Amino acid sequence: EVKLVESGGGLVQPGRSLKLSCAASGFSFNDYWMGWVRQAPGKGLEWIGEINQDSSTINYTPSLKDKFTISRDNAQNTLYLQMSKLGSEDTAIYYCARETTEGISYYFDYWGQGVMVTVSS
Amino acid sequence: DTVLTQSPALAVSPGERVTISCRASESVSTLMHWYQQKPGQQPKLLIYLASNLESGVPARFSGSGSGTDFTLTIDPVEADDTATYYCQQSWNDPTFGGGTKLELK
Repeated sequence: EVKLVESGGGLVQPGRSLKLSCAASGFSFNDYWMGWVRQAPGKGLEWIGEINQDSSTINYTPSLKDKFTISRDNAQNTLYLQMSKLGSEDTAIYYCARETTEGISYYFDYWGQGVMVTVSS
Repeated sequence: DTVLTQSPALAVSPGERVTISCRASESVSTLMHWYQQKPGQQPKLLIYLASNLESGVPARFSGSGSGTDFTLTIDPVEADDTATYYCQQSWNDPTFGGGTKLELK
């Protein structure tokens, strides 16, 4: 069974940093691209970025490229999201998701349950 | 960015057929996918590449379209289908539609 479990969320003060983790199991982690998606309270889904199997390619949505860093540890089957200079606009549920590729396309076929990040003083 | 536009909400009665639309601001070929999100849960993949049913998803769900106009159809609708439905394109950097909240009368 594919499982993705996020952790590391919580309440953080504006301007501070936070690192999220996503523990993967039930599949060969190092065979897949992985991504992060967030959802502000009561809002829709926003793609943050993605990382390929060997970390040689990492893509971000342009508005978050200078604030967020995606990484992975294939030995630990874990995906990470390092977030810096956090502001209230970063308050959201953060999901990790597995990407499955079909030709030139990909989609998110498994999602974690999400972890809440609240940025407030 | 490719902008995806969805109607915000729909209300239907159980047993009816419902179509949820998604319009892209530019052609995305058939690189469109659909997700269901129930309250308090993570999104779940329903349809990939416009018309392919994800394994384990009931055959009541179907998808169609290409280019800029796409449709998710549920026929017949059941009470358990109450959720928000999102389209997502992968022609370029992924973007999601704003979601369509489906309510049952």
